[in-house]
Amino acid sequence: GAVVSQHPSWVICKSGTSVKIECRSLDFQATTMFWYRQFPKQSLMLMATSNEGSKATYEQGVEKDKFLINHASLTLSTLTVTSAHPEDSSFYICSAGAGTSGRASGDEQYFGPGTRLTVT
Amino acid sequence: QKEVEQNSGPLSVPEGAIASLNCTYSDRGSQSFFWYRQYSGKSPELIMFIYSNGDKEDGRFTAQLNKASQYVSLLIRDSQPSDSATYLCAVKGGKLIFGQGTELSVKP
Repeated sequence: GAVVSQHPSWVICKSGTSVKIECRSLDFQATTMFWYRQFPKQSLMLMATSNEGSKATYEQGVEKDKFLINHASLTLSTLTVTSAHPEDSSFYICSAGAGTSGRASGDEQYFGPGTRLTVT
Repeated sequence: QKEVEQNSGPLSVPEGAIASLNCTYSDRGSQSFFWYRQYSGKSPELIMFIYSNGDKEDGRFTAQLNKASQYVSLLIRDSQPSDSATYLCAVKGGKLIFGQGTELSVKP
């Protein structure tokens, strides 16, 4: 399957600071990337969909000014959690859907390894 | 009604048995169906996808889809302790919707 990387794998930050998480598709071009958040013992919650070269589409209830998403190239999307607070502590996971030039044959999404954010 | 429903489990099976995981969905327009495996503390890993009614086999895994009944299942044959994980069903109509996941425990 297609490979997606995420960096950092874990981060601890102080309340009020900003944190940037990178998501890269390593062996295919990802026209669309997705950002999810997962709290313990809960399922994945889609936060936003980012399309290369255009603005991200945020899910209802997700603050776009707090969770800044940039998808500047076909292999890189970033999520910046601005003015982080303890309630933002969670497991953030990106996924990528392959475009027509990718290896995947259909609608599959491939997940990065995730970033565990702890805000103190 | 949730859009994608799974029994949260835990489902416990002995090693070597068949584990059967079930999922129902509400959107009749859904076209693509996926099973992901998620180990504790890790991100989901795609293990099967199915687009057409019927069965699709890949090694020890078989995905079954019945669009008329809005039902998709995953069978794991010869279950191993390493199969112990949470299995997420995901359904795509417009966007990809995940179920809550079923925790599977395979006992040696």
